[in-house]
Amino acid sequence: AQTVTQSQPEMSVQEAETVTLSCTYDTSESDYYLFWYKQPPSRQMILVIRQEAYKQQNATENRFSVNFQKAAKSFSLKISDSQLGDAAMYFCAYRSYAGGTSYGKLTFGQGTILTVHP
Amino acid sequence: SQTIHQWPATLVQPVGSPLSLECTVEGTSNPNLYWYRQAAGRGLQLLFYSVGIGQISSEVPQNLSASRPQDRQFILSSKKLLLSDSGFYLCAWSGAKGNQPQHFGDGTRLSIL
Repeated sequence: AQTVTQSQPEMSVQEAETVTLSCTYDTSESDYYLFWYKQPPSRQMILVIRQEAYKQQNATENRFSVNFQKAAKSFSLKISDSQLGDAAMYFCAYRSYAGGTSYGKLTFGQGTILTVHP
Repeated sequence: SQTIHQWPATLVQPVGSPLSLECTVEGTSNPNLYWYRQAAGRGLQLLFYSVGIGQISSEVPQNLSASRPQDRQFILSSKKLLLSDSGFYLCAWSGAKGNQPQHFGDGTRLSIL
């Protein structure tokens, strides 16, 4: 079974600065997908960014980018120009290739609480 | 566009009472559907998933059950709630293809007294 580990329970950053959230995972599969979700105090789960394991290029979405290291099984999230609205709990998630029997189930890490200081 | 609705938003129930949480999806057909539970300050635990009407898979043994009576309807139930059933419950849907993310409802905060 796959496992996802977020080793930073809490992180903080000054507004306009850059912060990196860590995520590592354990899998024997070669094809899979990785996601970062954001959960603000409203507790709604919001997709931030996704990465296909077969793509070497790191995904980017505006101020959000990832550093995907397949061999190291590492998937970190970088938030540039941090804003107060970025304050939330961030979850890293793993999804097996849909051709298997996992039916798209997500395995989540335990989350990292990000605080943004003005 | 696709939307997911989950209700109620908040529920307070006594121990031993029944439970029914409902989730519906609009704007798509034959979605994969999921129920998660999130304890305070913790990650999400997958409870059930469904790939079609009447098809339910349980991830963990527990006091809860799920049903999918219609293509875009997913229900989480219990006959007798336990104190340990308290938590935040999230419904999600996704397409079948692996690179499609899961989209979540707004969640139900369940408190057992």
